[in-house]
Amino acid sequence: GEDVEQSLFLSVREGDSSVINCTYTDSSSTYLYWYKQEPGAGLQLLTYIFSNMDMKQDQRLTVLLNKKDKHLSLRIADTQTGDSAIYFCAEITGGGNKLTFGTGTQLKVEL
Amino acid sequence: DAGITQSPRHKVTETGTPVTLRCHQTENHRYMYWYRQDPGHGLRLIHYSYGVKDTDKGEVSDGYSVSRSKTEDFLLTLESATSSQTSVYFCAITGSGANYGYTFGSGTRLTVV
Repeated sequence: GEDVEQSLFLSVREGDSSVINCTYTDSSSTYLYWYKQEPGAGLQLLTYIFSNMDMKQDQRLTVLLNKKDKHLSLRIADTQTGDSAIYFCAEITGGGNKLTFGTGTQLKVEL
Repeated sequence: DAGITQSPRHKVTETGTPVTLRCHQTENHRYMYWYRQDPGHGLRLIHYSYGVKDTDKGEVSDGYSVSRSKTEDFLLTLESATSSQTSVYFCAITGSGANYGYTFGSGTRLTVV
């Protein structure tokens, strides 16, 4: 199956920016997504980007897409302790009916 | 999560017993999915449904079966539970295909002893 890759851990100081990276595999993916999972909870959709865009900004979140390299990133500005969670990227596969998720990046925000 | 509930939230069962997990939605969405979450693997698709009585396999479907006899319920059955099926199981729904992202349930933590 497809592999969507992410680094497993990221640690930042409160107030700094966090950048979470993802490499996806399906060049025909029309949408790419970022989800957040807090402890003991399900996944919550954070943001998404359409494949014809290079960048999308939503308040403290900035998504960058490099289609040539199949690279997606999520930047969180002014990272807060409440941002500590696991972040998953996901791409559309299976003709538009399924999402394939990355392994998740555990973000730890230190005071 | 609004509109989607999973039951039970936690379950401990013995190896070899059958187990059924339930996903219930009130959104009238067409697509429903079962994923399992394991450390180092992220979420992996077990089975999904694109309508009543219409289901298909995901990447890790061995040892699992599903049924969808009505729009609102999607059942996942472990036919004979094994320790390798100890995991957190998530149900997800979407209305018009994955383009619009999923809404996830809160998960079922299953332990097979």
